[in-house]
Amino acid sequence: EVQLVESGGGLVKPGGSLRLSCVASGFSFSNAWMSWVRQAPGKGLEWVGRIKRKTDGETTDYAAPVKGRFTILRDDSRNTLYLQVNSLRTEDTAVYYCVRPKSVDYGDYEVIGAFDIWGQGTMVTVSS
Amino acid sequence: EIVLTQSPGTLSLSPGERATLSCRASHSVSSIYLAWYQQKPGQAPRLLIWGASSRATGIPDRFSGSGSGTDFTLTISRLEPEDFAVYYCQQYVSSPWTFGQGTKVEIK
Repeated sequence: EVQLVESGGGLVKPGGSLRLSCVASGFSFSNAWMSWVRQAPGKGLEWVGRIKRKTDGETTDYAAPVKGRFTILRDDSRNTLYLQVNSLRTEDTAVYYCVRPKSVDYGDYEVIGAFDIWGQGTMVTVSS
Repeated sequence: EIVLTQSPGTLSLSPGERATLSCRASHSVSSIYLAWYQQKPGQAPRLLIWGASSRATGIPDRFSGSGSGTDFTLTISRLEPEDFAVYYCQQYVSSPWTFGQGTKVEIK
């Protein structure tokens, strides 16, 4: 079964840190770009960032509100994606989803970006 | 950053009616980089459409996507009770990948 299972959320004080984990199964994790998306209570979806596969340099990219505070890592040997979140602010309170961007082969090029696999989400609450 | 603006914010319709949802981009987006999602309360979003018009696996054919450039549309031909939800568009042509703010389709 194809699935993503997140863990690591919880209640943390402003300025604190957490590490979220996401274990993947049922697909070739090492061959996939991976991403995190968050959703504040009652709000819309917000892309957090992504990490490319090793063959694409394992490079990362982040949304402006989290750049410099959040880090995405991957361990292909464990089929696990991580989100290290530091210097947390109250506005980081959200459900954090681990997602897999779909890869589409158009022959001459590959397009990656529509999120076809979602985890169930893990809640991060930042409050004093 | 490409900003996606969805309209209307809320669509009040009855089962069996046709729903037309709009997503407008601040800059031109190649259609192969546009997706639509459905989210129900307490659930993770679900991919409906990728590449502006391709249905994801298991998505019924009453859902269709169209558009190009800066204007995209998600159409639900005949609303079923399970279709009342929030819908988001997303672009992935350039970083940061962005979502629209969502359209809620509610029962009239």
